[in-house]
Amino acid sequence: DSGVTQTPKHLITATGQRVTLRCSPRSGDLSVYWYQQSLDQGLQFLIQYYNGEERAKGNILERFSAQQFPDLHSELNLSSLELGDSALYFCASSASGVSEQYFGPGTRLTVT
Amino acid sequence: AQKVTQAQTEISVVEKEDVTLDCVYETRDTTYYLFWYKQPPSGELVFLIRRNSFDEQNEISGRYSWNFQKSTSSFNFTITASQVVDSAVYFCALSESGGGFKTIFGAGTRLFVKA
Repeated sequence: DSGVTQTPKHLITATGQRVTLRCSPRSGDLSVYWYQQSLDQGLQFLIQYYNGEERAKGNILERFSAQQFPDLHSELNLSSLELGDSALYFCASSASGVSEQYFGPGTRLTVT
Repeated sequence: AQKVTQAQTEISVVEKEDVTLDCVYETRDTTYYLFWYKQPPSGELVFLIRRNSFDEQNEISGRYSWNFQKSTSSFNFTITASQVVDSAVYFCALSESGGGFKTIFGAGTRLFVKA
């Protein structure tokens, strides 16, 4: 158990809908990362927050947004969902931007 | 540009064989960090090792060892006397000091260890 929690574990929704994925980092970790893992794209970095501020951005679509709250938990919002957004979404946390990352179990999103 | 290449898509070995997973990276930064992660069939990603660009010492942890060579921009991972439990996808990753430490993962190498 990495200490990173993600909810929900599974999510099935329809195209055009909006969903929110939630992540709680390990105790003491200030940095949170979001990744998308799909079969054809591998593990893609989406965005990183450090102590509430956005620090790095990857290939995150404009339909996606994230934030990190004062209690350090983070949410990833996905809107106007398309079939191609079906993937495993991982959250990871680390003590700092250069530390190793500890991953949550992931949220499997299926868009039908 | 930041890039990580794991040229081996899949490797299949028989238990007790040694196996090396290759990782080649590209970066323009002088300060960067390299990582290996394991993703077993259960799906969760597990951290294995972190190396910074100023530390070229090789590392051994049990049956695992890592060879970092800046001259060839490689960070290879060797499993000695492989076991069935080593079957997983292994990812190499790179974080640069510039750009807020965005982390780029390689495509992964799927290792099958047969009994």
